[in-house]
Amino acid sequence: KAGVTQTPRYLIKTRGQQVTLSCSPISGHRSVSWYQQTPGQGLQFLFEYFSETQRNKGNFPGRFSGRQFSNSRSEMNVSTLELGDSALYLCASSLGLSLGSADTQYFGPGTRLTVL
Amino acid sequence: GQNIDQPTEMTATEGAIVQINCTYQTSGFNGLFWYQQHAGEAPTFLSYNVLDGLEEKGRFSSFLSRSKGYSYLLLKELQMKDSASYLCAVRGSNYKLTFGKGTLLTVNP
Repeated sequence: KAGVTQTPRYLIKTRGQQVTLSCSPISGHRSVSWYQQTPGQGLQFLFEYFSETQRNKGNFPGRFSGRQFSNSRSEMNVSTLELGDSALYLCASSLGLSLGSADTQYFGPGTRLTVL
Repeated sequence: GQNIDQPTEMTATEGAIVQINCTYQTSGFNGLFWYQQHAGEAPTFLSYNVLDGLEEKGRFSSFLSRSKGYSYLLLKELQMKDSASYLCAVRGSNYKLTFGKGTLLTVNP
């Protein structure tokens, strides 16, 4: 079974621009979560989508948005980029089973975003 | 809110045993996960605990005490390739995972 894929793997943008990142989950997985990883803050949760609906949201500004398509693929958009948005953006997919089950998230390789 | 604490760094010797602790305070609890992340790579799943006790998987074991808000990951017969960051994550009363900042383990020969 193919793993989680993310495109692009690397991206360089300038302040004020916007960016769209893509995530294709493992076949059969209906939940996609997005995280931002920086050396100082670790892995921080952005949002989670399940069956095309945002089910959870972290504490990031409205410049960060996402969506999920009917085939479970997900995109994340960041508008008006700031220097502090430079980070590794990881997506993870899972089956989306009920709470309390061993519904494990599997991570993609990430997109390394650099904002100049 | 959620708060997860784990040591920032640990060092151990090849062949030894190391225990990485994780304490958490969460609103609701629906499982604790451990992930391994090598530098420049994505986190990979190691273990899951939802009931108290020890789960063993080869050289790796994970323990959970829900009443104490405490877990540990035990790595036996350490190998150089075990040098990595180890992330503790808790699923609270919703579906989201909250991660600790990770413990960077260095295994020396």
